[in-house]
Amino acid sequence: DGGITQSPKYLFRKEGQNVTLSCEQNLNHDAMYWYRQDPGQGLRLIYYSQIVNDFQKGDIAEGYSVSREKKESFPLTVTSAQKNPTAFYLCASSKDRARDTQYFGPGTRLTVL
Amino acid sequence: GQQLNQSPQSMFIQEGEDVSMNCTSSSIFNTWLWYKQDPGEGPVLLIALYKAGELTSNGRLTAQFGITRKDSFLNISASIPSDVGIYFCAGQSYNTDKLIFGTGTRLQVFP
Repeated sequence: DGGITQSPKYLFRKEGQNVTLSCEQNLNHDAMYWYRQDPGQGLRLIYYSQIVNDFQKGDIAEGYSVSREKKESFPLTVTSAQKNPTAFYLCASSKDRARDTQYFGPGTRLTVL
Repeated sequence: GQQLNQSPQSMFIQEGEDVSMNCTSSSIFNTWLWYKQDPGEGPVLLIALYKAGELTSNGRLTAQFGITRKDSFLNISASIPSDVGIYFCAGQSYNTDKLIFGTGTRLQVFP
């Protein structure tokens, strides 16, 4: 089945450690996105990528990094520089360009202990 | 970042009732999307609107793209318990590559 997968579903990390969240899609979509969701709030854009080997900062990129070496993969690294990393992280993709409808993965809940 | 004004923030209704929620923006949008999110899951696309005045249905759900291009509403008819969740609107304008999300409407349905 086509879709977007994120792993792991739950992730725990000690303060001061970097952690990488996985996002894979087999929809043949060009554009991919990372969002952060905090309780009771909407989605805030962290990074997005419209083509392989290219990505742009979103509204809250500080403390995060990404790579886009393959069309189907867009991993997000939460670095120790991120002051408040505990949140629900959502990956999305869209077909041709950034203006197309976005489809979301199931999310990863990151908890920093 | 900019966010849409979505209302109401939460709704508590009885099964069988109709529901209405809306989003407004200070900017003109060329796309309006409505998503539903269950607890601990990613948002699922319900309806996509691409044209001012467009009215689109998906089962018991109906959404409209406001004629001013600055608002959209979502109606759910004859609500059922599985309608429980958070509903988000999202909009995109011509001069940006990014979706802007509303803050969500939390829907609770009581039997």
